[in-house]
Amino acid sequence: DAGVTQSPTHLIKTRGQQVTLRCSPISGHKSVSWYQQVLGQGPQFIFQYYEKEERGRGNFPDRFSARQFPNYSSELNVNALLLGDSALYLCASSLDKYNQPQHFGDGTRLSIL
Amino acid sequence: QKEVEQNSGPLSVPEGAIASLNCTYSDRVSQSFFWYRQYSGKSPELIMSIYSNGDKEDGRFTAQLNKASQYVSLLIRDSQPSDSATYLCAVTKNDMRFGAGTRLTVKP
Repeated sequence: DAGVTQSPTHLIKTRGQQVTLRCSPISGHKSVSWYQQVLGQGPQFIFQYYEKEERGRGNFPDRFSARQFPNYSSELNVNALLLGDSALYLCASSLDKYNQPQHFGDGTRLSIL
Repeated sequence: QKEVEQNSGPLSVPEGAIASLNCTYSDRVSQSFFWYRQYSGKSPELIMSIYSNGDKEDGRFTAQLNKASQYVSLLIRDSQPSDSATYLCAVTKNDMRFGAGTRLTVKP
């Protein structure tokens, strides 16, 4: 079975632009979470979606938004990009919304110039 | 106080030794605990999960949980150079929170 897939792999944007990152969960997984990881730090929680509804939100500004589709895939949108948004963006899926192990995709490396 | 704290390391052990990785968490009602391994430039890979007090063994890995002390650890027996990576501790209540990770180097 395919694991969590993310696209694109790498992305280069300039300040002020907008970006959309995509994620397909493991088949049968209904929960998708998004994380931001900067070099030398652990992943920081951004959003969790379950059954197309937002179930949790981390300490990120409103420039960050996400949604989950009926097929459980998800998109993360970031508006008005800042240099500090440069990071590895990770998507993880799990069977349900609480306490289940999460399985990560390979991530999208976002660079802001 | 950080929600999940780990020694940043680096931790260096010789091949064949036991590597001990530690993690403390601040939210007493945390319910699930996980260890992830992350190789440089790669995404985190789940290696252990533990939900109740005590020890859980899986091959060369043993996770230990003490909820009263808000402490979780990972032991790696017979460490191999391929175990060299950053190990991330993760704790969940409503969502998953990670520590900064401990970098482990196993020297041949």
